[in-house]
Amino acid sequence: EAQVTQNPRYLITVTGKKLTVTCSQNMNHEYMSWYRQDPGLGLRQIYYSMNVEVTDKGDVPEGYKVSRKEKRNFPLILESPSPNQTSLYFCASSPQQPSDSYEQYFGPGTRLTVT
Amino acid sequence: QKEVEQDPGPLSVPEGAIVSLNCTYSNSAFQYFMWYRQYSRKGPELLMYTYSSGNKEDGRFTAQVDKSSKYISLFIRDSQPSDSATYLCAMSRTGTASKLTFGTGTRLQVTL
Repeated sequence: EAQVTQNPRYLITVTGKKLTVTCSQNMNHEYMSWYRQDPGLGLRQIYYSMNVEVTDKGDVPEGYKVSRKEKRNFPLILESPSPNQTSLYFCASSPQQPSDSYEQYFGPGTRLTVT
Repeated sequence: QKEVEQDPGPLSVPEGAIVSLNCTYSNSAFQYFMWYRQYSRKGPELLMYTYSSGNKEDGRFTAQVDKSSKYISLFIRDSQPSDSATYLCAMSRTGTASKLTFGTGTRLQVTL
């Protein structure tokens, strides 16, 4: 089954404790992206990657890091989480070449709470 | 001012009603327009997309884009309880493999 998976789905942590949210896709997509979703603000892009070893900032990159060492994986790293990073996080992927649907495939989300 | 504005709702309609969901935007560079549906505790999934101005129909769903007014709409005919979800409009400048700018989403509840 074609899918984007994220782990963990739920995480409660404390301020300053480094964490990583993993994202993996099995569709051989070049493009991957991280979004956060907050009430009243919608989905905002954090980082994106056009291919292996190619990453760039989105709209809200502060406090986050990413890496793209393999095509299928795109982990999101919070080196020193703070309460304002409490949010619902989504990973997404899409093919690089033009397609009929222009669809981005989203993972199931990771709900992060930083106390 | 946000690039994309969307009424958050909630919108409650009886089963069988016609639903109209709308977004306005300010950036004239947007060329690709999408509607995503998000069920509770799930990731968004693509429902409809259109390129530039015009209409597109898919079953009970019709997407409209009016670039001159910077206004997009999604119509749902014969709404069903299974349509209850949050609907997110999204748009981009360059189509596939590109940054999407989302509206905040409209929560729709279709009641029996």
